[in-house]
Amino acid sequence: DAKTTQPPSMDCAEGRAANLPCNHSTISGNEYVYWYRQIHSQGPQYIIHGLKNNETNEMASLIITEDRKSSTLILPHATLRDTAVYYCIVRGYSGGGADGLTFGKGTHLIIQP
Amino acid sequence: DSGVTQTPKHLITATGQRVTLRCSPRSGDLSVYWYQQSLDQGLQFLIQYYNGEERAKGNILERFSAQQFPDLHSELNLSSLELGDSALYFCASSVEGWGKETQYFGPGTRLLVL
Repeated sequence: DAKTTQPPSMDCAEGRAANLPCNHSTISGNEYVYWYRQIHSQGPQYIIHGLKNNETNEMASLIITEDRKSSTLILPHATLRDTAVYYCIVRGYSGGGADGLTFGKGTHLIIQP
Repeated sequence: DSGVTQTPKHLITATGQRVTLRCSPRSGDLSVYWYQQSLDQGLQFLIQYYNGEERAKGNILERFSAQQFPDLHSELNLSSLELGDSALYFCASSVEGWGKETQYFGPGTRLLVL
């Protein structure tokens, strides 16, 4: 799986959009971009994933650049409960088998009141 | 709530002991993954099972073993425990265990080895 680079921490004001960047310059054509978050010491929570088109669900939007070398997770109206560590993970599709997710250090997003 | 359950929530034991952590996957999921999260190593993949068979291994120590039962629940056995095994242990599940599937995580078991 390709390596990802994320800023170690970010602040965002409550009610504003939080934009979390991720670089994955070595991503290959069949690799997906996944985002998870971990609130305090809870289990990682799935947020969203995409291959090359932008994706949106009830939690967030994922914008992937045309060359797929970077992406941005957008939380449209951040609340205090969105304070967490956010992990960007690139995941290959392996038809013959699979293994675990590779978590980096992620971005610690702090929502300020 | 992801639908993945783990027991116990907390476990305190002594060095040299053996413990068993239990995980029940989401209804319909056939694949189970185990992860360890320690302060110095972050979240690391240990092992994956699919429908009772081991499918992939990560950074799992020889003192650790796992199995998945016919009802699809899984157990992670940790033996000859050391202080450094103190960590959060998470279980995740997915439908069939292929690379592009989303994994859903349980709430974890916090293990403290004294």
